[in-house]
Amino acid sequence: DAKTTQPPSMDCAEGRAANLPCNHSTISGNEYVYWYRQIHSQGPQYIIHGLKNNETNEMASLIITEDRKSSTLILPHATLRDTAVYYCIVRFTGTASKLTFGTGTRLQVTL
Amino acid sequence: KAGVTQTPRYLIKTRGQQVTLSCSPISGHRSVSWYQQTPGQGLQFLFEYFSETQRNKGNFPGRFSGRQFSNSRSEMNVSTLELGDSALYLCASSSRDYKSVQYFGPGTRLLVL
Repeated sequence: DAKTTQPPSMDCAEGRAANLPCNHSTISGNEYVYWYRQIHSQGPQYIIHGLKNNETNEMASLIITEDRKSSTLILPHATLRDTAVYYCIVRFTGTASKLTFGTGTRLQVTL
Repeated sequence: KAGVTQTPRYLIKTRGQQVTLSCSPISGHRSVSWYQQTPGQGLQFLFEYFSETQRNKGNFPGRFSGRQFSNSRSEMNVSTLELGDSALYLCASSSRDYKSVQYFGPGTRLLVL
């Protein structure tokens, strides 16, 4: 699975959009980009995933660059409850279900 | 649908003992994966079971084992506990294929004294 690079921490004001970047320059053509978040000591929560097209669901939007070497998770209106560690993961679709977690980005949403 | 459930939620053991943790996947999910989370090593993959067969295994010693039952419920066992086994143990379930999303349970926090 390709390695990902994320900033260790970010701050965001409540109500503003939170844009979390992820670099995955060695991603291969059949690897998906997944985003999870983990609120303190809870199990990781699935947010969104995509292959090459931009994706949107009720939680967030995922923007993947055309060369697929980086992506951005967008939380359109961050709230205090969005404070968490966000993990960007790339996963080869041909293997079993292993997810390789990095160190993630700690997002702090403030008033 | 009910989410992934794990029991017990908290556990205290002493060195040398063994422990069994249980995971009930989301109804209809046949794949169950286990992960260990520690402050030093982060989230690490332990193993994955699909239709009662271990399909993938992480880099952990043989003291860590698991199994899956015909109803897809899974258990993991750690024998001869060490202090370093203190961690949050997470279970995740997914449906049939490799691309399916994994949904995590709340975890079992194990403390080894």
